[in-house]
Amino acid sequence: GIQVEQSPPDLILQEGANSTLRCNFSDSVNNLQWFHQNPWGQLINLFYIPSGTKQNGRLSATTVATERYSLLYISSSQTTDSGVYFCAVDQGAQKLVFGQGTRLTINP
Amino acid sequence: KAGVTQTPRYLIKTRGQQVTLSCSPISGHRSVSWYQQTPGQGLQFLFEYFSETQRNKGNFPGRFSGRQFSNSRSEMNVSTLELGDSALYLCASSLQGRGSGYTFGSGTRLTVV
Repeated sequence: GIQVEQSPPDLILQEGANSTLRCNFSDSVNNLQWFHQNPWGQLINLFYIPSGTKQNGRLSATTVATERYSLLYISSSQTTDSGVYFCAVDQGAQKLVFGQGTRLTINP
Repeated sequence: KAGVTQTPRYLIKTRGQQVTLSCSPISGHRSVSWYQQTPGQGLQFLFEYFSETQRNKGNFPGRFSGRQFSNSRSEMNVSTLELGDSALYLCASSLQGRGSGYTFGSGTRLTVV
């Protein structure tokens, strides 16, 4: 099956810093989403981005489908950005395959 | 509009018992899928339902089952609980399940003792 790899596994930054999270996938996909898991476990949808670039406030994402990777950018990090970020892909089989996540810690 | 609603939020069960979890999708969403999250295995797909039919199933034993009702609400059942079934169970709904984004509920945290 498709493999999804996220890097780095852990990232520790100071408030105000910028960060880039990467997601590599091993095959073509119909759907790619970035999620932020909050401390209570809920997966909050950040972007639905099978290709192209999207921006939402301080967050933006780019997926280069032909090269099988996606990047999530967080600018001017805040402590509330802390948590685990997941990339997940769907090949049209009605299921998401998740990466192992990047744990982001933003220190004040 | 209301999001994906999962009940209960927390559950403690004893080995050997069975448990039923519930998920109500976003209004108008006909696809509901279930995922298990554990520290060791991460997020893994359990199964997906669309219009009361299971369209896909993950690699889990037959103790894990599910169903979907005509109003798109879904339940999953785990029989003969094992300690390893302790996990966060997440439900997601999607408008069609094909080429659409998924929205997740808050999850049910199951502890088996």
